Amino acid sequence: AQTVTQSQPEMSVQEAETVTLSCTYDTSENNYYLFWYKQPPSRQMILVIRQEAYKQQNATENRFSVNFQKAAKSFSLKISDSQLGDTAMYFCAFMKAYFGNEKLTFGTGTRLTIIP
Amino acid sequence: EAEVAQSPRYKITEKSQAVAFWCDPISGHATLYWYRQILGQGPELLVQFQDESVVDDSQLPKDRFSAERLKGVDSTLKIQPAELGDSAMYLCASSLRTEGTEAFFGQGTRLTVV
Repeated sequence: AQTVTQSQPEMSVQEAETVTLSCTYDTSENNYYLFWYKQPPSRQMILVIRQEAYKQQNATENRFSVNFQKAAKSFSLKISDSQLGDTAMYFCAFMKAYFGNEKLTFGTGTRLTIIP
Repeated sequence: EAEVAQSPRYKITEKSQAVAFWCDPISGHATLYWYRQILGQGPELLVQFQDESVVDDSQLPKDRFSAERLKGVDSTLKIQPAELGDSAMYLCASSLRTEGTEAFFGQGTRLTVV
């Protein structure tokens, strides 16, 4: 079974600063996908960024980037130039590679607050 | 923009009563998930459908929970009888039948059992 660990229950940062959220996972699989999802207050969860384990290059989406270390089983999210709208719960999630889809296994989340 | 629809948004029910949640996935999405999110925790899978077939219900408490997806479109999750420990957010998500693809989530149903 896979496990995902997020060791930072809460974080806060000043607007326009950079913040890094940590995530580690445990799996015996070699092929898988990793995700960061954002859950704003009272709104649905949305995808922030996605990483294929077979790709060495770290994924980037505008102000969001990841540091994927496969050997260390680490998958951190960096948010640059943080904005008030980034305030949300952030969940790291793991999915085995399987045609037809597998379930997402989530961490416990990090509550991020951007301070004006 | 297409969204996953869930209803109701909020539900308060008494212990031992029956309760049902409904989910309408994004059109064309073959995979549908029901997750339960207890306050302060990450979502945990209850059941996964591929079209109308259940592919994973290993964490579904089958003595009180049931789920169906007739015709492979919308889905209903039922709890009977509800217990105090069932208070949580119930999230529905859907995705294409493609390896590693993004799951799209609904806004969820917040259940409070009193």
